[in-house]
This record gives sequence, structure tokens and C-alpha cells, in this order.
Amino acid sequence: GQQLNQSPQSMFIQEGEDVSMNCTSSSIFNTWLWYKQDPGEGPVLLIALYKAGELTSNGRLTAQFGITRKDSFLNISASIPSDVGIYFCAGHKIQGAQKLVFGQGTRLTINP
Amino acid sequence: EPEVTQTPSHQVTQMGQEVILHCVPISNHLYFYWYRQILGQKVEFLVSFYNNEISEKSEIFDDQFSVERPDGSNFTLKIRSTKLEDSAMYFCASREGAYNEQFFGPGTRLTVL
Repeated sequence: GQQLNQSPQSMFIQEGEDVSMNCTSSSIFNTWLWYKQDPGEGPVLLIALYKAGELTSNGRLTAQFGITRKDSFLNISASIPSDVGIYFCAGHKIQGAQKLVFGQGTRLTINP
Repeated sequence: EPEVTQTPSHQVTQMGQEVILHCVPISNHLYFYWYRQILGQKVEFLVSFYNNEISEKSEIFDDQFSVERPDGSNFTLKIRSTKLEDSAMYFCASREGAYNEQFFGPGTRLTVL
């Protein structure tokens, strides 16, 4: 099917630590996206990946499009309190497709 | 920075009532979407809309749901006869072109009693 399996479900870390989360699928996705959702808000796009093997950074965030096209990871370096939230991976099976499929989310909690 | 806006932020309704959720997509965007997120769960695709017609819909989007672009700026989702299980956050999204990324609004929390 079009399921994206995201792990871990939740993370509890100390401020300043690095964070890593990933997303896998049993089928190929041709676009991978990472969104962050704050409480009561809509998802905000962090990084978009379009090519297998692509590694893209956005400040302290780095994401990679897996070479098999069936996985992606997101790393956050030197976490700060405002990184708290839920991170979702999402993807299009076909580039230009309408439907965006979301993972279940990773809830990040940071202890100061 | 242009953004997608949604109203109301919270809608409470009785089971069986009709509700209309409102969205104003980013002005130069051509593709429009509705998603929903049941509390604590992932975001799920409902419907996409382009060139004044539905281009794709999920199995969730049954006959009780409809979408409309009544004028050049608004995009609405109507639920004809709400059920308890329709309680969720409903997000509108838009994108400029077929290969651009989708930008999401802040959501409308629908509570069906």
C-alpha cells in the first residue's frame, strides 16, 4: 500500500543533543518531504527531496532521500527548545501527483 | 509571506448537521486540497481540486463530502450530515503548480457532538 512507517514515535532528549528520525515504505516514493507541526497549527514544510540519494540541509536540519527510494531520514543537530513539535515525513508516489501520503509522526520533547 | 488561511478555527456542531469549512488559498496557486487529522493520528488526504473540478479523492471522501470554489479566492469543504467520527482537524492546502510543494493552512478543528 501507500503506508509510510515513521520511527521513533516519540523522543525525549536534552537541549543541545542531535536528533535522528526516519521513514520507510514498502513501495517506492519519488518525492520525500519533511514537515513540522506545532500544537494547533498546520504542517510547515521543512525540507523537500526529489532525487534518490539527495542530501539536503536547511540550517540545523539535514534530510536524505534513500537510494532505494523507499526511505528517508531527518537529522536535527544541536537541538533547541523551539524544535519541540511533531515531525512528519510525507511523500508523493509519483512526482507531480496530487495526493500527499503522511507518516504517523515523531513527537519531539526537549528537556532544557 | 503569503499564507493559506482557514475559518473558523473551531467549529462545534450537532450530529446530522451540515457544516462548511472555509479556506483562502495562496493567491497565485492553482491546486487545492483538503486533508484531515483525527486527534493524535497522521494527516490523511481527502481530495484535490484543479481547474474547477476534483482531480483525486480518497475513500474517506464519500457522498457526504463536497468541495467548491465559489469565487476566485475561496475554497470550501462541505459535510452534508456530520457524524461523530467526522470530528478532526481539517487542513486546507494549496500549491502553485503540479511540481511545487503544498502549503498548509492552520486548520479548522471540527467537533461533532
